[in-house]
Amino acid sequence: EPEVTQTPSHQVTQMGQEVILRCVPISNHLYFYWYRQILGQKVEFLVSFYNNEISEKSEIFDDQFSVERPDGSNFTLKIRSTKLEDSAMYFCASSEGNGPRHGYTFGSGTRLTVV
Amino acid sequence: SQKIEQNSEALNIQEGKTATLTCNYTNYSPAYLQWYRQDPGRGPVFLLLIRENEKEKRKERLKVTFDTTLKQSLFHITASQPADSATYLCALFRDTGTASKLTFGTGTRLQVTL
Repeated sequence: EPEVTQTPSHQVTQMGQEVILRCVPISNHLYFYWYRQILGQKVEFLVSFYNNEISEKSEIFDDQFSVERPDGSNFTLKIRSTKLEDSAMYFCASSEGNGPRHGYTFGSGTRLTVV
Repeated sequence: SQKIEQNSEALNIQEGKTATLTCNYTNYSPAYLQWYRQDPGRGPVFLLLIRENEKEKRKERLKVTFDTTLKQSLFHITASQPADSATYLCALFRDTGTASKLTFGTGTRLQVTL
């Protein structure tokens, strides 16, 4: 079964450093998302991306965050200057279409630890 | 803002019994609600979708109900097995026009014991 692949699985970074989290969505999917989950808390929406542009972003997704689809397969999330509170599990997801019957396929996540 | 709550943080049941998980929402009338399963250290896995005009949806041992008057969805696993042990998340699905967005509940951690 097709999967969403995320790398790395775990990243430790120093506060203030830039990190790039990478994702390879399912090849025929058109919609891409980033969600995050702080330990013990809800999975929360960060950003959605379609047709090479951001469709919607949450309040969390401030100027420190950016997303890019640099080629036909990768989808990246960049955090420019990490803060301690950015420590979380970051999930990439993709969906074939925009409708609700297209459940999202999530990757296994990147655990980001900011020290 | 829309809120979604799952009443029980954890639920322990015996193998073979039916597990029932509850999801309540406020400040919103979703047309769709989805249920996901999440295992430790993994991403959510889509299980079922139910629409507002559907009272009930079934898939193998899973059953979901949607009561728009009570603003509640119930998720049932019949003949539960230890392999069903996981966290189950309900999510409000919102179509934003150019994309969609999920608002997740906190999840209920189900433990099925022998």
